[in-house]
Amino acid sequence: DVKVTQSSRYLVKRTGEKVFLECVQDMDHENMFWYRQDPGLGLRLIYFSYDVKMKEKGDIPEGYSVSREKKERFSLILESASTNQTSMYLCASSPYQITEAFFGQGTRLTVV
Amino acid sequence: QKEVEQDPGPLSVPEGAIVSLNCTYSNSAFQYFMWYRQYSRKGPELLMYTYSSGNKEDGRFTAQVDKSSKYISLFIRDSQPSDSATYLCAMREVGTDKLIFGTGTRLQVFP
Repeated sequence: DVKVTQSSRYLVKRTGEKVFLECVQDMDHENMFWYRQDPGLGLRLIYFSYDVKMKEKGDIPEGYSVSREKKERFSLILESASTNQTSMYLCASSPYQITEAFFGQGTRLTVV
Repeated sequence: QKEVEQDPGPLSVPEGAIVSLNCTYSNSAFQYFMWYRQYSRKGPELLMYTYSSGNKEDGRFTAQVDKSSKYISLFIRDSQPSDSATYLCAMREVGTDKLIFGTGTRLQVFP
């Protein structure tokens, strides 16, 4: 079974903190994605990576950065957390020519 | 206008009903269409995948794509309480690995 593991299920951080969300996949997939999910807005793509050290901005990259130093690991970084970044964050992975994206369980981040 | 539109619901039906979930889209370059199911506090899981137009059936689930109308549907026959979840449509163009999601429809099947 494909497994995508996100490091935390729930996080509470203070405004201005630097926040790291980690994601690891065990299927040697080339693509990895970070989405955020908000009520009424669905899943919105923040960043994706199609190879080690490669990244592309998604639809809402402002306030976020990413790092992919190893194929299996994709990190999302909130440089200075703000309350409007309170959300559910979902990591996903897929092979090239995606026919299925496999999602992690999600991290519910609250910024206070 | 969003690229993919989906009625958020909630949709509440009795057990055994036929459920129809729909998405419309504006980008005629979309060729790959997917339906994901997301249970509460879980990540989405792929339910159905179709390429271009036509129908695809898997057990109680049927996915339908009408590219001329830019409209996709997911039908659930003999719905069960365990089908209660949020259903998200997703689609992509040839040559890109970016999936564009609908907002999701919350379905509740009551006994």
